[in-house]
Amino acid sequence: EIVLTQSPGTLSLSPGERATLSCRASQSVSSSYLAWYQQKPGQAPRLLIYGASSRATGIPDRFSGSGSGTDFTLTISRLEPEDFAVYYCQQYGSSPPRTFGQGTKLEIK
Amino acid sequence: EVQLLESGGGLVQPGGSLRLSCAASGFTFSSYAMSWVRQAPGKGLEWVSAISGSGGSTYYADSVKGRFTISRDNSKNTLYLQMNSLRAEDTAVYYCAREDIVVVPAAMYYYGMDVWGQGTTVTVSS
Repeated sequence: EIVLTQSPGTLSLSPGERATLSCRASQSVSSSYLAWYQQKPGQAPRLLIYGASSRATGIPDRFSGSGSGTDFTLTISRLEPEDFAVYYCQQYGSSPPRTFGQGTKLEIK
Repeated sequence: EVQLLESGGGLVQPGGSLRLSCAASGFTFSSYAMSWVRQAPGKGLEWVSAISGSGGSTYYADSVKGRFTISRDNSKNTLYLQMNSLRAEDTAVYYCAREDIVVVPAAMYYYGMDVWGQGTTVTVSS
């Protein structure tokens, strides 16, 4: 069973700074099957990245994804006020068919 | 406009049943796999169940296997989640989500859960 572990649990940064969020898998995950989501309070999640590094429609280019195997990263190059939210990684596979990480809360310092 | 609208949530006693619905509009419903994802109060996202576009393949998280049943009616553009033997730990906001999966000979491409509903709240309590 694949478990996704995100770190840090909470990241405190200021607008304009760079954010680096990590997602580590307990077993190798195809980079084609790794996605990232953003969720703001009271809202449904929003797809940011699919295939580990491809931005979804309408996502600003300050968001980027990278990684392979068991280590994946979501980077936000210059934080805007609207970027402070909770971020989740998610894998698509066989056991279990889909899994989310526990989330990283990005808060304003 | 592409849209998903969940309904059917509410308060139910432990051991009870509930059926959630997710009405889809603005896209060819039968062309997409669909998932249910839940979020307990103050917690993270938990994938619950998924179904292929045709409805021929279904998948469940271990936490709900044997109690929940996912289904779809492509003629009505609607996804369902039948929840039986409900427990307190099933209390959550339940979201339906569209999944973009493309299967071609010798390859499969996963484009993520790209459309989400606004969620419906299920509370299991006596």
